[in-house]
Amino acid sequence: AQTVTQSQPEMSVQEAETVTLSCTYDTSENNYYLFWYKQPPSRQMILVIRQEAYKQQNATENRFSVNFQKAAKSFSLKISDSQLGDTAMYFCAFMRGNDMRFGAGTRLTVKP
Amino acid sequence: DSGVTQTPKHLITATGQRVTLRCSPRSGDLSVYWYQQSLDQGLQFLIQYYNGEERAKGNILERFSAQQFPDLHSELNLSSLELGDSALYFCASSADRANKETQYFGPGTRLLVL
Repeated sequence: AQTVTQSQPEMSVQEAETVTLSCTYDTSENNYYLFWYKQPPSRQMILVIRQEAYKQQNATENRFSVNFQKAAKSFSLKISDSQLGDTAMYFCAFMRGNDMRFGAGTRLTVKP
Repeated sequence: DSGVTQTPKHLITATGQRVTLRCSPRSGDLSVYWYQQSLDQGLQFLIQYYNGEERAKGNILERFSAQQFPDLHSELNLSSLELGDSALYFCASSADRANKETQYFGPGTRLLVL
């Protein structure tokens, strides 16, 4: 079974600084998809970024980028120029076929 | 706004009761997924429907059932409710059957069982 591990339960960062959230996963599959979702206090689950495992190029969405290391089974999220609105729970997710697994989440607080 | 709608937003009920949660997917999406988010279990996949048919099952209890109607909206039925069923229930939708497309989540239904 695929497992997703987020080793940082909580993190904080100063506004305008850069922060990296870690995620590792375990799979024997070669083709799969990885996601970062953001859950703000409203509890809505918002897609932040998506990465296809067959693509070597790291995905980027504005201030959000990933460092995808397939061999190491690592998928970290970098948030640049952190904003107060980035305060949220961040979930890393693995998807392969019908199976989608989420990590336990990292609570990120952006401080003014 | 993801385009996925869920009703009701909040639900308070008693143990032993039965409730129905409703989800309307994004326009054009054929797949609907149900998830449960609880404090102790985290986010868990429950079940997926594609174009009216059950496609995949996750950690769904026998007391729970779901269906997808011809207009593609879906309902999750929870029966013989227990205190431990209190959770946030999310619906998500995607365009495809093979789970290669991104899932977009609704705002969730917060269920409290007293």
